[in-house]
Amino acid sequence: DIQMTQSPSSLSASIGNRVTITCRTSQSVGGNLNWYQQKPGKAPNLLIYAASSLQTGVPSRFSGSGSGTHFTLTINSLQREDSGTYYCQQSFGAPRTFGQGTRVEI
Amino acid sequence: QVQLQQSGPGLVEPSQTLSLTCAISGDSVSSNSATWNWIRQSPSRGLEWLGWTYYRSTWYNDYAQSVRGRITITPDTSKNQFSLQLNSVTPDDTAVYFCARDWGYWGYFDYWGQGTLVTVSS
Repeated sequence: DIQMTQSPSSLSASIGNRVTITCRTSQSVGGNLNWYQQKPGKAPNLLIYAASSLQTGVPSRFSGSGSGTHFTLTINSLQREDSGTYYCQQSFGAPRTFGQGTRVEI
Repeated sequence: QVQLQQSGPGLVEPSQTLSLTCAISGDSVSSNSATWNWIRQSPSRGLEWLGWTYYRSTWYNDYAQSVRGRITITPDTSKNQFSLQLNSVTPDDTAVYFCARDWGYWGYFDYWGQGTLVTVSS
């Protein structure tokens, strides 16, 4: 199975800050890397797919980059509603695997 | 707009079978571009993919090694839904269970069910 490692596990930032979350995979996944935001009691919500493509309806302050084994999610100009837990997930093959999550506090 | 509606009991006794159903609207369980997945989430395991079913001229399934031998995911084309059965459950299977659609060439979970907290307890 492809192992996913996210860092940091949690962070605290202020409104307007730029936040970067990193995801590393145990083997190359090409560009098959997705990012989700999860709020308490809700299902994860897709933000970025294929490493850098913004899902429809997601604010443009979210962006993704990377390929192979190293990926980043960046939130520019952090807003209060961006609090939650963020997960990376690889779709290179089965089994699909997720990172352990990064909790973002505002 | 695709919607996934989960149903099933929230309490299962140890050694019994966990059964959940995910009803699909806005897409077809027989879609040639989607796979239909079950994922669970617990504090100890995080987000864990359990398995999928999909149709590409015939039906395919694949399951996570951690539950292989205990799990069955079954499509129901007459009701446009798919189901999860997990046998011989233990308290370690207590989790929030989600169904989700994995879409297209790149594969991403773009639609999710609302989640069902399943507690394994007597």
